[in-house]
Amino acid sequence: EDQVTQSPEALRLQEGESSSLNCSYTVSGLRGLFWYRQDPGKGPEFLFTLYSAGEEKEKERLKATLTKKESFLHITAPKPEDSATYLCAVDFGNEKLTFGTGTRLTIIP
Amino acid sequence: GAGVSQSPSNKVTEKGKDVELRCDPISGHTALYWYRQSLGQGLEFLIYFQGNSAPDKSGLPSDRFSAERTGGSVSTLTIQRTQQEDSAVYLCASSRHIRETQYFGPGTRLLVL
Repeated sequence: EDQVTQSPEALRLQEGESSSLNCSYTVSGLRGLFWYRQDPGKGPEFLFTLYSAGEEKEKERLKATLTKKESFLHITAPKPEDSATYLCAVDFGNEKLTFGTGTRLTIIP
Repeated sequence: GAGVSQSPSNKVTEKGKDVELRCDPISGHTALYWYRQSLGQGLEFLIYFQGNSAPDKSGLPSDRFSAERTGGSVSTLTIQRTQQEDSAVYLCASSRHIRETQYFGPGTRLLVL
């Protein structure tokens, strides 16, 4: 069964303290990997799509990278407004997204 | 432009009642998806539409759940004889074409008492 695993479940950082979130998946014909941000009480907000190993995408303080078996979301010098749950989702080629359970990120001022 | 909209934003119902949840996708998006998010759980796929047809209904939890899409636009998810375990956030997403980036609505928070 196709699975997506995110780690850590929760992460607390001081403002300005850089770190990375991990998303690993069963290797079975990945067609695309998606990162979303979800704030409490809201729907997921699209951040990045990655399609092939070695690909990188950047947006402000966030950078997403992809290898053959995992993806990282790097957060550089985070600010309190970066606090949210970050979701990873994989398209295994069956027209739906398989989501991980997310990493709840808290940035302390 | 306008994003995906869902209504109602919140719904409280009694066990055994039927509920209808509505999704308005982004204009021009041909694919529409329904997911369910329970507390502490990841998003669970329910069903997707390509135009008005639903090729994959395998994610629907039981035969109490059904969905339709009309005119290639608005979709309705119906839950009959609701149970307490149906309490969750129901999220709708749309994409320009199948397998392209999905954009999510704000969700409908359903509470079954």
